[in-house]
Amino acid sequence: DSGVTQTPKHLITATGQRVTLRCSPRSGDLSVYWYQQSLDQGLQFLIQYYNGEERAKGNILERFSAQQFPDLHSELNLSSLELGDSALYFCASSVETYRGNEQFFGPGTRLTVL
Amino acid sequence: AQTVTQSQPEMSVQEAETVTLSCTYDTSESDYYLFWYKQPPSRQMILVIRQEAYKQQNATENRFSVNFQKAAKSFSLKISDSQLGDAAMYFCAYRSARHGGATNKLIFGTGTLLAVQP
Repeated sequence: DSGVTQTPKHLITATGQRVTLRCSPRSGDLSVYWYQQSLDQGLQFLIQYYNGEERAKGNILERFSAQQFPDLHSELNLSSLELGDSALYFCASSVETYRGNEQFFGPGTRLTVL
Repeated sequence: AQTVTQSQPEMSVQEAETVTLSCTYDTSESDYYLFWYKQPPSRQMILVIRQEAYKQQNATENRFSVNFQKAAKSFSLKISDSQLGDAAMYFCAYRSARHGGATNKLIFGTGTLLAVQP
């Protein structure tokens, strides 16, 4: 158990819908990363938040957005869903010292868009 | 931009034998980290081993060791005394050592699926 929690574990929805994925980082970790794992794109970085502020963006679609709340949990919002958005979405957290630190991954949320 | 390449989509090893998974990467940075992550059928991402680029000594963690060749930009994983529980997808990953910005993201290879035969 990495200490990072993600809910829900599985999500099945239809095209055009909107969903929210939730992540709670390990106690004391200020940084949250979101990654997408799909057959087409492999594992790719989406976005990073640090202590409530957006720190870095990767290959995140405009239909996707995220935020980190004062209690440091984070939510990834996916809207106008398409079939190609079906993937495993991971959240990872890190303490984030000067040289960076190990990222601990949550169990992931499996999103299926029908 | 940094890239990570795993040229072996699948590998197979007999139980108790040794197997080596290959990884090459491309970067213009001199200070970075390299990682091997294991993803079993449960889909959980588990850190196996990490290597800091400024350290010449190869990292080891029990039955897992790496062969880090900085000049060749090569980072292979050796699994000794393979066990059935080692069967999984293995990802090589790169991360810059600089603080802040997009540089702390992990850049992953495409993975190598390891099967362990009893």
